[in-house]
Amino acid sequence: GAGVSQSPSNKVTEKGKDVELRCDPISGHTALYWYRQSLGQGLEFLIYFQGNSAPDKSGLPSDRFSAERTGGSVSTLTIQRTQQEDSAVYLCASSLGGGLGSTEAFFGQGTRLTVV
Amino acid sequence: AQKITQTQPGMFVQEKEAVTLDCTYDTSDQSYGLFWYKQPSSGEMIFLIYQGSYDEQNATEGRYSLNFQKARKSANLVISASQLGDSAMYFCAMREVNSGGSNYKLTFGKGTLLTVNP
Repeated sequence: GAGVSQSPSNKVTEKGKDVELRCDPISGHTALYWYRQSLGQGLEFLIYFQGNSAPDKSGLPSDRFSAERTGGSVSTLTIQRTQQEDSAVYLCASSLGGGLGSTEAFFGQGTRLTVV
Repeated sequence: AQKITQTQPGMFVQEKEAVTLDCTYDTSDQSYGLFWYKQPSSGEMIFLIYQGSYDEQNATEGRYSLNFQKARKSANLVISASQLGDSAMYFCAMREVNSGGSNYKLTFGKGTLLTVNP
């Protein structure tokens, strides 16, 4: 597709279950970002990938959160043993490069996660 | 410390008037980039405008302009001739270099909710 694709668009899960959120970036984009946005709030940085490596994982809130990226393309964010406070919209973005030029990040539509 | 500060949780403007949304940033880098995004109620993130730290002129994109004051570390967004469709959340963001030049983290502020009144 032409844009950043995230799946699923909505996910309802029971507390304690594991979930996987997928992000398919724009082809050729080497930089990939994950953010979390709670209702009416700003974007909380989670993790950044440059290619398949993650130079910055500083935003992952706990060891229940992990992410990987394979083939310099698709990324998966995994939340283990979900808690109600994990409920939020998870946004993925990609950009052409990780440099400082005017390579804006393009965002997906997000995955709305609800933990019940 | 907050990297990006947006001090206005909410702003109101009359249609056709101009409005300025504030953004200050904190970095020790000489080279960085500043971005503004719009998020309407639909939730999508729309890129508006970019300013590089070495750009000598303020960036402009149609009705959007960025008032860049490097010494004050501010990058305010100016929207001219506001339209009803401009009602949305606006986020300021910064991309800087960390960890020896390998980490180009993109950090966002908490946003300003703009409401345009008819």
